[in-house]
Amino acid sequence: DVKVTQSSRYLVKRTGEKVFLECVQDMDHENMFWYRQDPGLGLRLIYFSYDVKMKEKGDIPEGYSVSREKKERFSLILESASTNQTSMYLCASSLGQLVNTEAFFGQGTRLTVV
Amino acid sequence: ILNVEQSPQSLHVQEGDSTNFTCSFPSSNFYALHWYRWETAKSPEALFVMTLNGDEKKKGRISATLNTKEGYSYLYIKGSQPEDSATYLCASLGQAGTALIFGKGTTLSVSS
Repeated sequence: DVKVTQSSRYLVKRTGEKVFLECVQDMDHENMFWYRQDPGLGLRLIYFSYDVKMKEKGDIPEGYSVSREKKERFSLILESASTNQTSMYLCASSLGQLVNTEAFFGQGTRLTVV
Repeated sequence: ILNVEQSPQSLHVQEGDSTNFTCSFPSSNFYALHWYRWETAKSPEALFVMTLNGDEKKKGRISATLNTKEGYSYLYIKGSQPEDSATYLCASLGQAGTALIFGKGTTLSVSS
């Protein structure tokens, strides 16, 4: 089975902190994605990557950056955490184009910024 | 930004009822339509990936249809069971076919 693992289920951070959310997949998938999920807004795409060291902005990249130094790991970075970044963050990966294949999701990280 | 709409937002049915949800998406530049089920405290899991107009897919009691010309997909659940309680997400490929853009989901609650 494909496994997408996010480093933490729950995180509490202070405003202004630099926060790293880690995601690792074990199936050699080229594509990796970061979403956030907020009540009433659904899943919104933050960033994605289709190869090592490649990144593309999603719909809501402001306040975030990403890093993909190795194929299996995709990190989401909150440069200076703010309370409006309190959310559920979901990582996903896929093998090849999503025209023909599904995305596999991690279990999510619920981040609270205080 | 590609806009994917789902209705209803939530639904409560009795065990044994059949139900259906709607997903609408822009019909231009269509690549694929995905359905996922997201149960509480679990990861979203794929139900269907659909690409062809008129496509119909089935997995057990769950089935889906796709109309790419008019930009909608239906998800059907026959004989709902309590274990079907979940949020059902649809997503269309945006960003030139590289990333999924999700609707807000339909939350189904099935009472026994």
